Amino acid sequence: QQQVKQSPQSLIVQKGGISIINCAYENTAFDYFPWYQQFPGKGPALLIAIRPDVSEKKEGRFTISFNKSAKQFSLHIMDSQPGDSATYFCAAKTYNFNKFYFGSGTKLNVKP
Amino acid sequence: NAGVMQNPRHLVRRRGQEARLRCSPMKGHSHVYWYRQLPEEGLKFMVYLQKENIIDESGMPKERFSAEFPKEGPSILRIQQVVRGDSAAYFCASSQRTGLATNEKLFFGSGTQLSVL
Repeated sequence: QQQVKQSPQSLIVQKGGISIINCAYENTAFDYFPWYQQFPGKGPALLIAIRPDVSEKKEGRFTISFNKSAKQFSLHIMDSQPGDSATYFCAAKTYNFNKFYFGSGTKLNVKP
Repeated sequence: NAGVMQNPRHLVRRRGQEARLRCSPMKGHSHVYWYRQLPEEGLKFMVYLQKENIIDESGMPKERFSAEFPKEGPSILRIQQVVRGDSAAYFCASSQRTGLATNEKLFFGSGTQLSVL
């Protein structure tokens, strides 16, 4: 069973728009939620991460919103740029075990 | 400080041959993970290793696949008697030791693209 469910599978956004990718989880023991960005032919790279003791974390144009009661978290990319076109993965892990569970990925295409 | 190094970058094998994929973790990292990615799909967990120990191999097929992370040298993912369905990108990642911190970061290599003819 998939521990982390991600949507949408693909997303097209105009330059300057807001890209929103959503993830949901079931395991309440998860306590670390990173987002990874992957360009074609490259490995995923950590973009931003959040712990459940805060509801939002912002780094530049990237923001994670976290809803603990709903067991959902989302990535918002403000002022989306063509250079943001990539595949984005959400992930989760528990406190005492270093196994990361990844979502199925969202392919973002930002149109110029 | 070099990142996670994987080699080869591309590997072509004929059906029935063996494939050996290597991964050198980042300096100071003692945890290694292997993930498999099919085109247009997500990352599927295969195995999680520490030095000389397999911590979790729940994502790895029971037959033909094996992994090791010896005391010295890189981690190796071995696929015996490859079949066409094994064609995929295989990513290695590493992290520091598990401690009290809950925000330990995972660093990925650039992957090995395995093609089985």
